[in-house]
Amino acid sequence: GAVVSQHPSRVICKSGTSVKIECRSLDFQATTMFWYRQFPKQSLMLMATSNEGSKATYEQGVEKDKFLINHASLTLSTLTVTSAHPEDSSFYICSARGEGKITEAFFGQGTRLTVV
Amino acid sequence: GQNIDQPTEMTATEGAIVQINCTYQTSGFNGLFWYQQHAGEAPTFLSYNVLDGLEEKGRFSSFLSRSKGYSYLLLKELQMKDSASYLCAAMDSNYQLIWGAGTKLIIKP
Repeated sequence: GAVVSQHPSRVICKSGTSVKIECRSLDFQATTMFWYRQFPKQSLMLMATSNEGSKATYEQGVEKDKFLINHASLTLSTLTVTSAHPEDSSFYICSARGEGKITEAFFGQGTRLTVV
Repeated sequence: GQNIDQPTEMTATEGAIVQINCTYQTSGFNGLFWYQQHAGEAPTFLSYNVLDGLEEKGRFSSFLSRSKGYSYLLLKELQMKDSASYLCAAMDSNYQLIWGAGTKLIIKP
């Protein structure tokens, strides 16, 4: 299957700082990438849908000024958590779908963010 | 609204068979996905059903009934490494995946 690489896998940052998470599709062009957040023992929660070359579409309740998403190329999307707070600590996962509308989602390895 | 229901947790014995059920309600339907997620890792794709019936893939099989809004994942010859969460996701008419909360499967020796 297709490979999606997410970096970093773990990050600890101080409250008030910003953290950038990268998501790359290594062997296919991902016109659309998805960013999820997952709290312990809970389901994947879609934060935003990122389309190459255009502004991301955020889900209700997700602050677009706090979670900055950039999808500058067909293989790279970034999520920046700005002014992080302890409640932002979570598992962040990106995914991308291949060409065509009905394809499985390929997930990055996830990023465990801890804000202290 | 859109909704996916699956049991929170199940326990089974090594070598046995277990069936994880999933019911869904979505605006339109473009298929049902099953993913496996080990603790602290990202989900990995297991199966996709869009037509009624059973799809078999090694020890894992997935079944779909569109009229009932129902699917199940069947795991045979359970191994300890099968201990994980199993996520059911339905694709709606906008090709968006609607995720269930996942079923944590505990395998006992």
